[in-house]
Amino acid sequence: DTAVSQTPKYLVTQMGNDKSIKCEQNLGHDTMYWYKQDSKKFLKIMFSYNNKELIINETVPNRFSPKSPDKAHLNLHINSLELGDSAVYFCASSQLWGGNTEAFFGQGTRLTVV
Amino acid sequence: AQTVTQSQPEMSVQEAETVTLSCTYDTSENNYYLFWYKQPPSRQMILVIRQEAYKQQNATENRFSVNFQKAAKSFSLKISDSQLGDTAMYFCAFMKLETSGSRLTFGEGTQLTVNP
Repeated sequence: DTAVSQTPKYLVTQMGNDKSIKCEQNLGHDTMYWYKQDSKKFLKIMFSYNNKELIINETVPNRFSPKSPDKAHLNLHINSLELGDSAVYFCASSQLWGGNTEAFFGQGTRLTVV
Repeated sequence: AQTVTQSQPEMSVQEAETVTLSCTYDTSENNYYLFWYKQPPSRQMILVIRQEAYKQQNATENRFSVNFQKAAKSFSLKISDSQLGDTAMYFCAFMKLETSGSRLTFGEGTQLTVNP
């Protein structure tokens, strides 16, 4: 069973469109994240949720809106896509409190905006 | 804010040899966690090894071991008996537990190539 799964794996779309990436974890973790990996492979946090509550919102344009319907799911919706949004987006989860803190990552979604 | 620096953008090693990847970090905290993640061409982020700052003993996982120097803020990764499957981008990462939100802060990565 996949621990952290995100869909889709690849997403090609036109500028101006709205798209969503879904993420689910079956590890029972209390914290979920979205990270962005740019073309130079640099990884930076975008959002963090703890028990469905937004904890970190890291200077991300408000076109990006995360939604956590429950502890096991964290989805990312992006409005009015721009060329600069092209990147790989990773979902991750961890058990921070009372756990060993390590983050488990999904397989990534490569978003290409044309 | 914490920063993580990996000064070697690329490294290569012959199969079966040993290689060490460097990582330094900057923090004023005393309790934190350090990680090495591996990202092969498949893009999957895989945890290689984890170190708690309060533990003096260096972490080891089979062929992977770290040299954690807390005073020097250095956290290098040693890969022994390198295998072709070790070819990947390696990221060093720092995390501190905090109620305001814990995050992984990554270094820029080191692309390791293992040659046959």
